[in-house]
Amino acid sequence: SQELEQSPQSLIVQEGKNLTINCTSSKTLYGLYWYKQKYGEGLIFLMMLQKGGEEKSHEKITAKLDEKKQQSSLHITASQPSHAGIYLCGADIDQGGSEKLVFGKGTKLTVNP
Amino acid sequence: KAGVTQTPRYLIKTRGQQVTLSCSPISGHRSVSWYQQTPGQGLQFLFEYFSETQRNKGNFPGRFSGRQFSNSRSEMNVSTLELGDSALYLCASSVYGTSREAPHFGPGTRLTVT
Repeated sequence: SQELEQSPQSLIVQEGKNLTINCTSSKTLYGLYWYKQKYGEGLIFLMMLQKGGEEKSHEKITAKLDEKKQQSSLHITASQPSHAGIYLCGADIDQGGSEKLVFGKGTKLTVNP
Repeated sequence: KAGVTQTPRYLIKTRGQQVTLSCSPISGHRSVSWYQQTPGQGLQFLFEYFSETQRNKGNFPGRFSGRQFSNSRSEMNVSTLELGDSALYLCASSVYGTSREAPHFGPGTRLTVT
């Protein structure tokens, strides 16, 4: 089973609308990362969250970490076509005494003008 | 600082051949990790190197191997290529490879096996 589940798998929104992407872990989280990827390209780092309740913002993107629920959410306010891409969450999870960085399968975001 | 660079960017190989991909991390970064990305499986961890030593390994067959040089540059090799090895191969670097650092990714190498 996937250690990090992202939802939804894909999202189509109208420009100007708000949206939320969720990332849930089945194991204890030590660090949570959000990346954005344009098709076929590398991952662009967005934000890193490490403490429960932590919230970070960059321009119109806000990410929160709920340590108890082992879940993170990424919220985009007033979406623009430039926000389109694949959003991936990654997390350091406990793997039998050591940590391993795993990723969700991504959420494909389309923003229609 | 220059970002993570990967060469080549695109590669077409025939089943049964072998391939070597290269990754140059950000200056000062000693940890390099490799990932395979496919539409069906997403981003899968291959292995991580730190100071020329393999520190972690994912669940991939022995056909996939890697190494790291003293200047932190890393290579990964896939022998006896199979059609299923077609994927985007990404490398990422960080200073120590700990959970307190966000890895920086390269642009990837798109490998197509025919």
